[in-house]
Formats: sequence, C-alpha cells, structure tokens
Amino acid sequence: NAGVMQNPRHLVRRRGQEARLRCSPMKGHSHVYWYRQLPEEGLKFMVYLQKENIIDESGMPKERFSAEFPKEGPSILRIQQVVRGDSAAYFCASSPEAGGNYGYTFGSGTRLTVV
Amino acid sequence: GESVGLHLPTLSVQEGDNSIINCAYSNSASDYFIWYKQESGKGPQFIIDIRSNMDKRQGQRVTVLLNKTVKHLSLQIAATQPGDSAVYFCAENLDHGSSNTGKLIFGQGTTLQVKP
Repeated sequence: NAGVMQNPRHLVRRRGQEARLRCSPMKGHSHVYWYRQLPEEGLKFMVYLQKENIIDESGMPKERFSAEFPKEGPSILRIQQVVRGDSAAYFCASSPEAGGNYGYTFGSGTRLTVV
Repeated sequence: GESVGLHLPTLSVQEGDNSIINCAYSNSASDYFIWYKQESGKGPQFIIDIRSNMDKRQGQRVTVLLNKTVKHLSLQIAATQPGDSAVYFCAENLDHGSSNTGKLIFGQGTTLQVKP
C-alpha cells in the first residue's frame, strides 16, 4: 500500500517559469490537502480539494497559484511566473474522510528552488 | 489571533533521558490536536493525537498532555533515543462542526537533538 506520492522531489525553476507539482493520494483517499513550508518554519495550509472540487482555498495566494484534483490522475499544484519567494517545500496530504482527524497522511514533499 | 506556537526552538537531551516538548495554542475552539515528527528531507510523520475531551493520551514511549485551561499541549518522549532526533510540530484542527474541512494549523517546530 503505497503512501502519498509526490513528484518531483526536487524542482528548480528560473524566475518567471511555471512550476507544476504532482500529488497522488493514498489508495482509497479522496481528500487532498496542500501545505507550504518555508525554511525553519511550520507548515502553512494552502488548499483542500476533493475530486473535481476545490473545497477550501483560503491559504492560496490570490495570484499565480492554482490547484486541481481531476477525476482521473493526480492533484496538481501549479505556480505560474515563479519568484524567489516561492522557494519552499510543498507537502501534500491525503485523507479518506473530510476533517483532519481521519488518518491524514503526508507525502515526502517537493522542494522548489527558484533561481 | 489563531496560532499555535512552541516555546523552545531547540531541545537538547541525553540519550535515555525523557524529553518534553511544549506547545501553546490560542484558539479555544480547537477540538483536535496532533503531534508530528519531521526528519530532514521528509514529510511530517504522525506521532500521536488527542481530542479536546481528553487531557492525556499515551502511545508507545510517547504521551500527550492537554491543558485546555491554559491552552497548552505537551509531548513527552520516554527514554529518548538517537532516532528521535527530528523537528517536532504540534498542529490543531478547529472545530467547525459539519463544515470541518480538516485544515490544520501548525506551530513553528522544536528541534530535538539527542546526544549519545
């Protein structure tokens, strides 16, 4: 039973390029959460999705960031026109039910570096 | 504001000693708390959780204590081992009843260093 799979593990982008981060939830999990972690800080909630729906995007920056979780395939976090401040570790978690108290499992993250 | 904070950024203990990591939260509506361990280059790993209707919960070598009066959470690790060296985060889930989305608020983390 594979855990939450994120790829790529490391991503380097030049300023102005696009970054696409992928997350495949655990089998049987239909709830996906994205968090961002800046160096030496805790994780900050970005967005919560269910299949084909964005449920809570209160932590997403208003511009350049978008997320989707299509009916088929992984969840995608997309960052357009990246800037140095986007450099961070991005973690995805999945859950079988809504609510954080139902077996939340994190992936190993994607470390984005903007040069 | 709604925040979860940790008192000490780094805790250094001798192997075999007990460790206590503290966490303060400010939102009295939080109903569920989790401790995570994060090793370098990895994602957060669940350690133990506790609901707001409890004040203590024990796992294997770990105990979580919840004091709702002063909004304080602690993680106790018994007989600390070198493999326990990591950053530890507390996280809280606000109770929104039927609209609870599972959004977690994390503290900044405490680095635990275990000296052999």
